[in-house]
Amino acid sequence: GNSVTQMEGPVTLSEEAFLTINCTYTATGYPSLFWYVQYPGEGLQLLLKATKADDKGSNKGFEATYRKETTSFHLEKGSVQVSDSAVYFCALSRTGGFKTIFGAGTRLFVKA
Amino acid sequence: GAVVSQHPSWVICKSGTSVKIECRSLDFQATTMFWYRQFPKQSLMLMATSNEGSKATYEQGVEKDKFLINHASLTLSTLTVTSAHPEDSSFYICSAPGQGKEEQYFGPGTRLTVT
Repeated sequence: GNSVTQMEGPVTLSEEAFLTINCTYTATGYPSLFWYVQYPGEGLQLLLKATKADDKGSNKGFEATYRKETTSFHLEKGSVQVSDSAVYFCALSRTGGFKTIFGAGTRLFVKA
Repeated sequence: GAVVSQHPSWVICKSGTSVKIECRSLDFQATTMFWYRQFPKQSLMLMATSNEGSKATYEQGVEKDKFLINHASLTLSTLTVTSAHPEDSSFYICSAPGQGKEEQYFGPGTRLTVT
Protein backbone atom coordinates (compact mmCIF):
# COMPACT_ATOMS: atom_id res chain seq x y z
CA GLY A 1 0.00 0.00 0.00
CA ASN A 2 0.88 3.65 0.01
CA SER A 3 2.79 5.12 2.94
CA VAL A 4 5.07 7.97 3.91
CA THR A 5 7.88 7.81 6.45
CA GLN A 6 9.64 10.89 7.72
CA MET A 7 12.29 11.47 10.31
CA GLU A 8 11.17 11.80 13.87
CA GLY A 9 11.52 15.08 15.63
CA PRO A 10 11.76 17.36 17.24
CA VAL A 11 14.58 18.94 15.32
CA THR A 12 16.22 21.88 17.09
CA LEU A 13 18.50 24.20 15.14
CA SER A 14 20.09 27.57 15.61
CA GLU A 15 19.15 30.38 13.30
CA GLU A 16 20.98 30.25 9.93
CA ALA A 17 21.72 26.53 10.26
CA PHE A 18 21.15 24.08 7.41
CA LEU A 19 18.00 22.01 7.57
CA THR A 20 17.28 18.55 6.22
CA ILE A 21 14.12 16.60 7.00
CA ASN A 22 14.15 13.15 5.48
CA CYS A 23 11.10 11.66 3.80
CA THR A 24 10.69 8.36 1.97
CA TYR A 25 7.59 6.90 0.43
CA THR A 26 6.04 3.68 -0.76
CA ALA A 27 3.47 3.91 -3.53
CA THR A 28 2.03 2.17 -6.54
CA GLY A 29 2.22 4.11 -9.77
CA TYR A 30 3.52 7.64 -9.89
CA PRO A 31 2.20 9.80 -7.08
CA SER A 32 2.72 13.49 -6.58
CA LEU A 33 4.72 14.44 -3.50
CA PHE A 34 4.18 17.33 -1.15
CA TRP A 35 5.51 19.12 1.87
CA TYR A 36 2.93 20.85 4.03
CA VAL A 37 3.71 23.14 6.96
CA GLN A 38 1.61 23.72 10.06
CA TYR A 39 2.29 26.75 12.21
CA PRO A 40 1.14 26.67 15.84
CA GLY A 41 -2.64 26.69 16.18
CA GLU A 42 -3.26 26.73 12.45
CA GLY A 43 -4.26 24.37 9.66
CA LEU A 44 -1.85 23.04 7.08
CA GLN A 45 -0.45 25.04 4.20
CA LEU A 46 1.12 23.68 1.07
CA LEU A 47 4.83 24.49 1.14
CA LEU A 48 5.97 22.87 -2.09
CA LYS A 49 5.23 19.99 -4.40
CA ALA A 50 6.69 17.84 -7.19
CA THR A 51 4.60 15.86 -9.62
CA LYS A 52 7.13 13.65 -11.39
CA ALA A 53 10.55 12.12 -11.01
CA ASP A 54 13.48 14.55 -10.84
CA ASP A 55 11.16 17.53 -10.35
CA LYS A 56 12.34 20.00 -7.73
CA GLY A 57 9.76 21.84 -5.71
CA SER A 58 10.79 25.08 -4.06
CA ASN A 59 9.24 27.85 -2.01
CA LYS A 60 10.39 30.33 0.64
CA GLY A 61 13.95 29.01 0.46
CA PHE A 62 12.85 25.39 0.97
CA GLU A 63 13.58 22.76 -1.67
CA ALA A 64 12.83 19.09 -2.23
CA THR A 65 13.62 16.85 -5.19
CA TYR A 66 11.46 13.90 -6.26
CA ARG A 67 13.89 10.96 -6.32
CA LYS A 68 12.23 7.89 -7.80
CA GLU A 69 15.32 5.70 -7.55
CA THR A 70 15.52 6.19 -3.79
CA THR A 71 11.78 6.86 -3.30
CA SER A 72 12.65 9.99 -1.37
CA PHE A 73 11.57 13.62 -1.12
CA HIS A 74 13.85 15.20 1.47
CA LEU A 75 13.16 18.78 2.53
CA GLU A 76 16.12 21.18 2.71
CA LYS A 77 16.74 24.81 3.51
CA GLY A 78 20.12 26.45 3.52
CA SER A 79 19.54 28.93 6.35
CA VAL A 80 16.60 28.58 8.72
CA GLN A 81 14.94 31.41 10.57
CA VAL A 82 13.05 31.50 13.86
CA SER A 83 9.87 32.01 11.85
CA ASP A 84 10.38 28.58 10.24
CA SER A 85 9.54 26.91 13.55
CA ALA A 86 6.56 24.70 12.73
CA VAL A 87 5.56 21.11 12.03
CA TYR A 88 6.41 19.81 8.56
CA PHE A 89 4.44 17.00 6.93
CA CYS A 90 5.57 15.00 3.92
CA ALA A 91 2.68 13.61 1.87
CA LEU A 92 1.74 11.86 -1.34
CA SER A 93 -1.40 11.98 -3.43
CA ARG A 94 -2.85 11.55 -6.90
CA THR A 95 -5.49 13.33 -8.94
CA GLY A 96 -9.17 12.61 -8.82
CA GLY A 97 -9.75 13.27 -5.17
CA PHE A 98 -7.44 10.48 -4.11
CA LYS A 99 -6.93 10.88 -0.41
CA THR A 100 -3.63 12.29 0.74
CA ILE A 101 -1.29 10.08 2.75
CA PHE A 102 0.65 11.99 5.38
CA GLY A 103 3.81 11.23 7.23
CA ALA A 104 3.85 11.57 11.00
CA GLY A 105 5.15 15.13 10.90
CA THR A 106 8.45 16.58 12.09
CA ARG A 107 8.49 19.43 14.56
CA LEU A 108 11.18 22.03 13.95
CA PHE A 109 12.37 24.49 16.58
CA VAL A 110 14.70 27.27 15.48
CA LYS A 111 16.51 29.18 18.23
CA ALA A 112 17.66 32.76 17.85
CA GLY B 1 -5.29 30.58 -4.56
CA ALA B 2 -8.04 28.31 -3.35
CA VAL B 3 -9.39 29.08 0.10
CA VAL B 4 -11.14 26.78 2.53
CA SER B 5 -12.80 28.17 5.62
CA GLN B 6 -13.99 26.49 8.78
CA HIS B 7 -16.49 27.67 11.35
CA PRO B 8 -16.23 27.95 14.24
CA SER B 9 -12.51 28.25 14.85
CA TRP B 10 -13.01 27.04 18.40
CA VAL B 11 -15.92 25.78 20.43
CA ILE B 12 -16.48 24.66 24.01
CA CYS B 13 -19.45 22.46 24.72
CA LYS B 14 -20.81 20.38 27.57
CA SER B 15 -20.66 16.62 27.61
CA GLY B 16 -23.71 15.07 25.93
CA THR B 17 -24.42 17.93 23.56
CA SER B 18 -23.84 18.00 19.79
CA VAL B 19 -21.57 20.34 17.88
CA LYS B 20 -21.60 21.17 14.18
CA ILE B 21 -18.49 22.26 12.31
CA GLU B 22 -18.73 23.77 8.85
CA CYS B 23 -16.19 23.53 6.06
CA ARG B 24 -16.58 25.76 3.02
CA SER B 25 -14.65 26.10 -0.21
CA LEU B 26 -14.81 29.83 -0.86
CA ASP B 27 -13.71 30.23 -4.46
CA PHE B 28 -13.98 26.78 -5.96
CA GLN B 29 -16.31 23.80 -5.99
CA ALA B 30 -15.46 20.63 -4.14
CA THR B 31 -17.33 17.40 -4.83
CA THR B 32 -15.06 15.77 -2.27
CA MET B 33 -13.87 17.04 1.08
CA PHE B 34 -11.87 15.32 3.77
CA TRP B 35 -12.21 15.50 7.55
CA TYR B 36 -9.22 14.94 9.79
CA ARG B 37 -8.64 14.82 13.49
CA GLN B 38 -5.36 15.87 15.04
CA PHE B 39 -4.28 15.18 18.60
CA PRO B 40 -1.63 17.38 20.23
CA LYS B 41 1.79 16.89 18.68
CA GLN B 42 0.52 14.16 16.38
CA SER B 43 -0.17 13.74 12.71
CA LEU B 44 -3.50 14.08 10.99
CA MET B 45 -5.83 11.13 11.19
CA LEU B 46 -8.23 10.90 8.26
CA MET B 47 -11.72 10.37 9.65
CA ALA B 48 -13.87 10.36 6.54
CA THR B 49 -14.31 11.43 2.95
CA SER B 50 -17.30 13.66 2.36
CA ASN B 51 -18.98 13.22 -1.03
CA GLU B 52 -21.44 15.74 -2.45
CA GLY B 53 -24.77 14.09 -3.12
CA SER B 54 -23.92 10.77 -1.54
CA LYS B 55 -22.95 9.18 1.75
CA ALA B 56 -19.63 9.85 3.36
CA THR B 57 -16.95 7.19 3.40
CA TYR B 58 -15.61 6.57 6.90
CA GLU B 59 -12.19 5.25 7.80
CA GLN B 60 -11.91 2.10 9.81
CA GLY B 61 -12.58 2.66 13.48
CA VAL B 62 -14.50 5.93 13.05
CA GLU B 63 -18.07 5.77 14.32
CA LYS B 64 -20.36 7.04 11.60
CA ASP B 65 -23.26 7.53 14.00
CA LYS B 66 -21.13 9.71 16.24
CA PHE B 67 -19.46 11.78 13.55
CA LEU B 68 -22.22 12.74 11.13
CA ILE B 69 -21.08 14.17 7.83
CA ASN B 70 -23.28 15.98 5.35
CA HIS B 71 -22.08 17.40 2.05
CA ALA B 72 -24.99 19.67 1.31
CA SER B 73 -23.60 21.49 -1.70
CA LEU B 74 -20.52 21.79 -3.86
CA THR B 75 -19.05 24.30 -1.42
CA LEU B 76 -20.17 23.07 2.00
CA SER B 77 -19.53 20.03 4.14
CA THR B 78 -20.48 19.73 7.79
CA LEU B 79 -19.24 17.48 10.57
CA THR B 80 -21.52 17.02 13.55
CA VAL B 81 -20.07 15.48 16.69
CA THR B 82 -23.07 13.95 18.42
CA SER B 83 -23.33 13.33 22.16
CA ALA B 84 -19.87 14.74 22.65
CA HIS B 85 -17.61 13.45 25.40
CA PRO B 86 -14.32 14.83 26.75
CA GLU B 87 -12.37 12.30 24.70
CA ASP B 88 -13.77 13.92 21.55
CA SER B 89 -11.83 17.07 22.40
CA SER B 90 -9.42 17.59 19.54
CA PHE B 91 -8.43 19.76 16.60
CA TYR B 92 -10.62 19.01 13.57
CA ILE B 93 -9.39 20.00 10.13
CA CYS B 94 -11.08 19.75 6.76
CA SER B 95 -9.56 19.87 3.30
CA ALA B 96 -10.63 19.88 -0.31
CA PRO B 97 -8.63 18.95 -3.40
CA GLY B 98 -8.15 21.70 -5.93
CA GLN B 99 -9.81 21.13 -9.27
CA GLY B 100 -7.55 19.08 -11.47
CA LYS B 101 -4.79 19.23 -8.90
CA GLU B 102 -3.50 16.72 -6.45
CA GLU B 103 -2.78 19.06 -3.58
CA GLN B 104 -5.19 19.65 -0.77
CA TYR B 105 -6.38 23.02 0.45
CA PHE B 106 -6.87 22.98 4.18
CA GLY B 107 -9.18 24.85 6.44
CA PRO B 108 -7.68 26.60 9.47
CA GLY B 109 -9.06 23.98 11.84
CA THR B 110 -11.60 23.92 14.65
CA ARG B 111 -10.56 23.29 18.21
CA LEU B 112 -13.26 21.43 20.10
CA THR B 113 -13.19 21.24 23.89
CA VAL B 114 -15.80 19.12 25.62
CA THR B 115 -16.20 19.77 29.34
